[in-house]
Amino acid sequence: DGGITQSPKYLFRKEGQNVTLSCEQNLNHDAMYWYRQDPGQGLRLIYYSQIVNDFQKGDIAEGYSVSREKKESFPLTVTSAQKNPTAFYLCASSAPGQGTVTGNTIYFGEGSWLTVV
Amino acid sequence: ELKVEQNPLFLSMQEGKNYTIYCNYSTTSDRLYWYRQDPGKSLESLFVLLSNGAVKQEGRLMASLDTKARLSTLHITAAVHDLSATYFCAVREDGTASKLTFGTGTRLQVTL
Repeated sequence: DGGITQSPKYLFRKEGQNVTLSCEQNLNHDAMYWYRQDPGQGLRLIYYSQIVNDFQKGDIAEGYSVSREKKESFPLTVTSAQKNPTAFYLCASSAPGQGTVTGNTIYFGEGSWLTVV
Repeated sequence: ELKVEQNPLFLSMQEGKNYTIYCNYSTTSDRLYWYRQDPGKSLESLFVLLSNGAVKQEGRLMASLDTKARLSTLHITAAVHDLSATYFCAVREDGTASKLTFGTGTRLQVTL
C-alpha cells in the first residue's frame, strides 16, 4: 500500500543527544515536510523540501536539521541545540498539482512521539 | 506573516445539533485545507478547497471557502458522537509553494 512511514513511533532522548526521526514515502511525491505539534496546539512547520537535494527552513527550524538525498526519504535530526524537543512530530508529503484535489492534498504519516528524559 | 485563526477553540454539542466552525486567515490564499485529528493520532485529510466559492460535502460535514472575506467554514449537520475530534484548517499563502500554516484547531465533543 502507498503511504508515509515514520519511525520510530516513540523515542526518548537524553539531554545533549542528537536523535533522528525517519520518514519514508512510496507515493512518488516531490514535496515533503516536517511539522511539530505540542499538546493542545496546532502544527508548526520545521522544514520542507520541494525537490531532491533542496530544502527550506520553516517557522521553527532552529535546533533541527534535515537532508533530502532521495526522493522517498526526508529524515529529521533533532539536535542538542533544540532545548525543548518534547513533542509529536509529523512528516507529510504532497505532489504539487495544477488545480486538482489529488495533486494538492498533503498526506501525513502516523507521527513520532519524542520525549526528553 | 500569515495568521490563521479558528473559532471556537472548543465546542461541546449534543447529537443531532448543527454547528459551524470558522477559519479566518490574514493574507491572500487560494488553497485551504481541513483536517481531522483523533487523540494521539495523525491528521486525516477532509477537504481541499481550491477556489473562491468552493463548497465540498462529505457525509455530515460541509466546507466552504470565501477568498474575498478570507474565511472558510466547516459546517456540521446533525452531529453524531463519531465526529468527536479536533479539526484543523490550514492555509497555503500565495507564492509559497506548498508551505501550510495551521490554525490552532477546534476540539469538538459530541455528547449523547
